[in-house]
Formats: sequence, structure tokens, C-alpha cells
Amino acid sequence: NAGVTQTPKFQVLKTGQSMTLQCAQDMNHNSMYWYRQDPGMGLRLIYYSASEGTTDKGEVPNGYNVSRLNKREFSLRLESAAPSQTSVYFCASSEEVDRPLHFGNGTRLTVT
Amino acid sequence: GEDVEQSLFLSVREGDSSVINCTYTDSSSTYLYWYKQEPGAGLQLLTYIFSNMDMKQDQRLTVLLNKKDKHLSLRIADTQTGDSAIYFCAESIDYKLSFGAGTTVTVRA
Repeated sequence: NAGVTQTPKFQVLKTGQSMTLQCAQDMNHNSMYWYRQDPGMGLRLIYYSASEGTTDKGEVPNGYNVSRLNKREFSLRLESAAPSQTSVYFCASSEEVDRPLHFGNGTRLTVT
Repeated sequence: GEDVEQSLFLSVREGDSSVINCTYTDSSSTYLYWYKQEPGAGLQLLTYIFSNMDMKQDQRLTVLLNKKDKHLSLRIADTQTGDSAIYFCAESIDYKLSFGAGTTVTVRA
């Protein structure tokens, strides 16, 4: 039982490049989330998926897209990376919305 | 996380109690959470309290909730070096979690 698995762990991109961050959970959770963590700002919600087949914007969605591929997987895509997207990205899941979140170990992304 | 406020740093002597404070804004939050983050890791759920409770105790952890003042605190008894981490308070708003900026707790010998 791995919980929430994120890949890759580290990534360096040049401005304008694209990439997809992968997330999978094996807890049969319905809801999945993407957060970014920046120093002194806590975690800010980018997008979430309350259940398979639905996605909604969070607090900071600009520059990102998401896909809920199936119940297990929720990916985050940066179409044209910018230095302001340098951050640590966390995927999380929960049984339902308004339930405790279980986090992955994060992806550390640097955009130069 | 601008809806949830925490002090940024706390230094405590090993064996003493730590108290981490948090204020939140949404009185309709159903749950309030405390998460712990160790270096290089994700956030780990420590404990949570339902909004109709005033206190919850779980081994060395005690959570106090003052709904009138929208104030949440986490007390760690007998603080150990392994308790050094960043602690995040979070409130549930519209079924999504809003986090504070985190309190970095440093335990000194």
C-alpha cells in the first residue's frame, strides 16, 4: 500500500517548456488535489477533482491544466513553464471532499 | 492561505510543552486540521477536530478550539527532537482545505 505516489521527484525546465506531473493513489479515494508550496505561503490549491470525471479550479489555476485519467490517477500539466512556477508541487487524495487529505512526497520543480 | 494565520517560528526546549496557535476566518468550517511536514517530505495528518468539539486529546497532542474567537491551538507535551518540523493549520472551506503558512518548530537540547 504505497498511498499517494508522485513522479518525478525533481525536474528542471527551461522557460516555455512543457511537462506533466503524475500522481496516483491506491487507497480507492474519490477526491484528488494538486497544491503548490512556496516559502512563507503555505499550500495553495491549484486544481481538484471531487470525483472521477470532474475537475475544478482552485485558488491559483492559471498556467496549469489537469486530467483525472481514472479513479487512481490525476495529472497536472504545465503547457509553457514560467519561472513563477518554480515550486514544490504536492498531490493529495481523500475519501470524499471534506475529509482528511493524504499527501504524496512532492515534486520539486525549477524553471530557469 | 491568507484565511488562516499562524506564527512562523517556535523554539522549544526538549521535554517542555510546545503550543502552536492558529486563527481562521470561516465560522462554517466543519473540520480543522493539523498537519506536520518533515524536511523533504509531504504533509502528514497529525490530528483534526470537528467544529462542534472544544478539545481533542490524542496521546501527546491536545487540540483546543475556541469557535467564538476562531482560534485553534495544538499542544505537544514532552516535546522531542523528532517533533522538529513545520506544522500547518488548515480549515475546511467549501469542502476544500485552506492552509496557513506553517509554523517551524525547532527543538533545542
